Amino acid sequence: NAGVTQTPKFQVLKTGQSMTLQCAQDMNHEYMSWYRQDPGMGLRLIHYSVGAGITDQGEVPNGYNVSRSTTEDFPLRLLSAAPSQTSVYFCASSQGPKGSNEQFFGPGTRLTVL
Amino acid sequence: KQEVTQIPAALSVPEGENLVLNCSFTDSAIYNLQWFRQDPGKGLTSLLLIQSSQREQTSGRLNASLDKSSGRSTLYIAASQPGDSATYLCAVAGAAGNKLTFGGGTRVLVKP
Repeated sequence: NAGVTQTPKFQVLKTGQSMTLQCAQDMNHEYMSWYRQDPGMGLRLIHYSVGAGITDQGEVPNGYNVSRSTTEDFPLRLLSAAPSQTSVYFCASSQGPKGSNEQFFGPGTRLTVL
Repeated sequence: KQEVTQIPAALSVPEGENLVLNCSFTDSAIYNLQWFRQDPGKGLTSLLLIQSSQREQTSGRLNASLDKSSGRSTLYIAASQPGDSATYLCAVAGAAGNKLTFGGGTRVLVKP
């Protein structure tokens, strides 16, 4: 059981470039989410999904896109990177209300936008 | 909008002392509350999960209490060790259980 995996671990982008942060889980969890962590701002929810084909916006969704075509994968797309998107990004998953709803987090992706 | 606060932001104690970490939240309509540990440059490790119907949870030296009506949770770590040095985060899940709101964390240093 690998749990929640994220790739890449580190990434440097130039302003205006696009990229996809990958997230996968092998626990058959229904719920998946993306958070960003910034000094002084804590962890904030970007987008979340309660099942395959269902996504919704969190607190800070602007500049990000998500889709959930399978239960296992929940990629986060940066459409046109901006310096304000420099952050550490965490993906999380849980069983949802059918289980304990304990959230498990991936190791994070450290993104720098120049 | 749910707001979660953790005070103090930082704490330093000698080894062997018990740790008491506080978390408060403004909206009592929560699904559950979860405590995490984060080491520098690392991800979040789940420590304890308390469902909204529960008053406390225990795991080894860790004990977490929940008072939903007053919007408070406390994490107790008994007989602290230098390896307990980390940042501790609390997070509450909204009524639907699908979104977490995090506190700012308490950075703990346990001195040998």
